[in-house]
Amino acid sequence: LAKTTQPISMDSYEGQEVNITCSHNNIATNDYITWYQQFPSQGPRFIIQGYKTKVTNEVASLFIPADRKSSTLSLPRVSLSDTAVYYCLVGERGNIPTFGRGTSLIVHP
Amino acid sequence: KAGVTQTPRYLIKTRGQQVTLSCSPISGHRSVSWYQQTPGQGLQFLFEYFSETQRNKGNFPGRFSGRQFSNSRSEMNVSTLELGDSALYLCASSSEGTYNEKLFFGSGTQLSVL
Repeated sequence: LAKTTQPISMDSYEGQEVNITCSHNNIATNDYITWYQQFPSQGPRFIIQGYKTKVTNEVASLFIPADRKSSTLSLPRVSLSDTAVYYCLVGERGNIPTFGRGTSLIVHP
Repeated sequence: KAGVTQTPRYLIKTRGQQVTLSCSPISGHRSVSWYQQTPGQGLQFLFEYFSETQRNKGNFPGRFSGRQFSNSRSEMNVSTLELGDSALYLCASSSEGTYNEKLFFGSGTQLSVL
């Protein structure tokens, strides 16, 4: 099973770009990389998903190098409302997603 | 389309009691999974149901059980509550529950065991 490793916490300031990197050395050929965002006392919310290279939507970008052993979630010009926990998931065989501890992002004024 | 609905939002129970939590998935979704979230252990998978059958189960004791009805709504039950069962219980639904599929979460039920 592909295990993911993310920083426990990160700090940023409003207006800055934030990059959160996730390591997944044992990613399998069929695995996609998915990122979720969670606010306190709420369920996680899907942000973005990708397989290789770069994916962009209205919220974030996801960069995946050719070897796919890591991925980087990029949040452009963060605001206070982006303060949340961000989880990186790699598709798990047997349909048991493992969320891990995620990265707690705090955005300061 | 309505999102995933979990009831109740908050619940207070005492040790030894049992509790039933409810989850209504997004219309058309047939897979429902349950998670327990605590500050100490993070988000942990409990079980997943698809077409009224439990398809996957996490590493939790038998006190934790669930079921799914023909309309895809799901319930989870915790019997003989322990203090350590205090947690946010989250339900997620997806269309088929297949590999890599996006999950849609409810806002959860915050359970406090006294």
